[in-house]
Amino acid sequence: AQSVTQPDIHITVSEGASLELRCNYSYGATPYLFWYVQSPGQGLQLLLKYFSGDTLVQGIKGFEAEFKRSQSSFNLRKPSVHWSDAAEYFCAVNDYKLSFGAGTTVTVRA
Amino acid sequence: DGGITQSPKYLFRKEGQNVTLSCEQNLNHDAMYWYRQDPGQGLRLIYYSQIVNDFQKGDIAEGYSVSREKKESFPLTVTSAQKNPTAFYLCASSAPGDTEAFFGQGTRLTVV
Repeated sequence: AQSVTQPDIHITVSEGASLELRCNYSYGATPYLFWYVQSPGQGLQLLLKYFSGDTLVQGIKGFEAEFKRSQSSFNLRKPSVHWSDAAEYFCAVNDYKLSFGAGTTVTVRA
Repeated sequence: DGGITQSPKYLFRKEGQNVTLSCEQNLNHDAMYWYRQDPGQGLRLIYYSQIVNDFQKGDIAEGYSVSREKKESFPLTVTSAQKNPTAFYLCASSAPGDTEAFFGQGTRLTVV
């Protein structure tokens, strides 16, 4: 069965600092991988996705993610965080259904 | 504009009552999903449907029921058998061959 693990429940980062959110998946083949962002009380917005090809994927809002098959990871990064990046971030994997990790809450301090 | 509409945004019900959450999409997507979100637990899949008149249980289907009589609609009924129904419910849809899902804005259900 596929599963997604986000080891960090909560991360606090200073505005302007870099951000990395970890995601590990358990799946037999190369899965379809996604990062979504959610503001409080809202639905989810897709940041980026990986299906195949280049393992470094660029997304919206200055985010990027790197797929590493050897580590079963798909970590999300942003070089310089803005206060508006405070939100909850979800990693997801899809084969025949879309499964999510537990999420990482990002707090941005001034 | 194309999208997914969930209604209502907030819903209050008394314990023991069934309640139906609406999800409508005009994206012409075949697949639709229902998720439940609780703090610290991420999104858990309740039911999904890949095609009209067919649906499958997800990870936490007990106490819930769905129907898929039309391509654009996938209502979720929270029955009195659901022991802890208070939660935020999200509906999503995706197109064939496109595994990206698009989400509605959610319905917050409170059972008192």
